[in-house]
Amino acid sequence: AQSVTQLGSHVSVSEGALVLLRCNYSSSVPPYLFWYVQYPNQGLQLLLKYTSAATLVKGINGFEAEFKKSETSFHLTKPSAHMSDAAEYFCAVSDYGGSQGNLIFGKGTKLSVKP
Amino acid sequence: KAGVTQTPRYLIKTRGQQVTLSCSPISGHRSVSWYQQTPGQGLQFLFEYFSETQRNKGNFPGRFSGRQFSNSRSEMNVSTLELGDSALYLCASSSGVQGAGYGYTFGSGTRLTVV
Repeated sequence: AQSVTQLGSHVSVSEGALVLLRCNYSSSVPPYLFWYVQYPNQGLQLLLKYTSAATLVKGINGFEAEFKKSETSFHLTKPSAHMSDAAEYFCAVSDYGGSQGNLIFGKGTKLSVKP
Repeated sequence: KAGVTQTPRYLIKTRGQQVTLSCSPISGHRSVSWYQQTPGQGLQFLFEYFSETQRNKGNFPGRFSGRQFSNSRSEMNVSTLELGDSALYLCASSSGVQGAGYGYTFGSGTRLTVV
């Protein structure tokens, strides 16, 4: 069965510091992996997706993630945090090709950015 | 291109009542999935509809049901509401066809409160 583990339910960084949000997955087939961001009282916005084309994936707002099969990881990074990055981030996995079926989500990581 | 539209945004219902939520996907998308988000359980998959047929189903009781119309719009229904059904209900739309594009676009959700 597929699963996603996000290490750290809360992460706090200073403005301008590196952002690193951790995600490990479990899947019996080559996975499709996603990072979503959720602002208060909003839905989920897709940041980036891995669909086996390239292991380093660049997304919106300066975020990127690297797929590491040997470590079953898909960590999200951003070189320099901005106040507007404060939100909750969710990692998700799908084994149906990413266009059908269901997403399995991690529990989420709430990112705080200090001035 | 219009996004995913969910109505209503907020809803307050009494225990024992039933409720219907609506989701209009992105034009051209044939797959609509529904998710329940609660602080305790996180994001959980309810079901997915593709071309008016339920294609995947999560682990929820039969009180939760859905349907999809020929124009791809979808509704979900919850009967005999319980306090524990209070949640943010999110719908996501995708092409539904592997290779036709990956990723799911979410609506802003319907916040259901059961009193």
